[in-house]
Amino acid sequence: DSGVTQTPKHLITATGQRVTLRCSPRSGDLSVYWYQQSLDQGLQFLIHYYNGEERAKGNILERFSAQQFPDLHSELNLSSLELGDSALYFCASSPGPKRDGELFFGEGSRLTVL
Amino acid sequence: GENVEQHPSTLSVQEGDSAVIKCTYSDSASNYFPWYKQELGKRPQLIIDIRSNVGEKKDQRIAVTLNKTAKHFSLHITETQPEDSAVYFCAASPANTGFQKLVFGTGTRLLVSP
Repeated sequence: DSGVTQTPKHLITATGQRVTLRCSPRSGDLSVYWYQQSLDQGLQFLIHYYNGEERAKGNILERFSAQQFPDLHSELNLSSLELGDSALYFCASSPGPKRDGELFFGEGSRLTVL
Repeated sequence: GENVEQHPSTLSVQEGDSAVIKCTYSDSASNYFPWYKQELGKRPQLIIDIRSNVGEKKDQRIAVTLNKTAKHFSLHITETQPEDSAVYFCAASPANTGFQKLVFGTGTRLLVSP
């Protein structure tokens, strides 16, 4: 158990819909990262938050948005869903503000768009 | 931006053999290179990492080597066991991001046959 909690574990929805994925980082970790893993693909970095502030953006679509709340949990909002958005979405946390260090991944949220 | 290439995409070995996975990166300023193991249906977990001031690092049966001149690094697993079967991801952390922004390779599926 990494200490990072993601909900829901599985989500099935239809095209055009909107979903919210939630992540609670390890106790004490200030940094939260979101990654997308499509079938047989690597881990694509989406966005990074540190202590409530957005710090880095990767290949995140405009239809996607995220935020980190004062209690440090984070939410990833995916809207106008398309079939291609079906993927495993991982949240990871780290203590920060080190320049590098281990990322602790949650179990992921598997999104299926029909 | 940083680009990480990983080879091979699939690797099959017999139990007891060695396995080598290679990665190249494009940003010469990258300075942190972790390796993550992802078992089927599980979350990625850090197995070993290396920083740019070190050429080699070992941890029991696994080792990582780094060649900064050539911009490549490799994962070596000796005396492979069936439980080593998983997908392995290399990653590079570009410098000057202030915070970690790992770029992952596309993964290597390692299958160790008894």
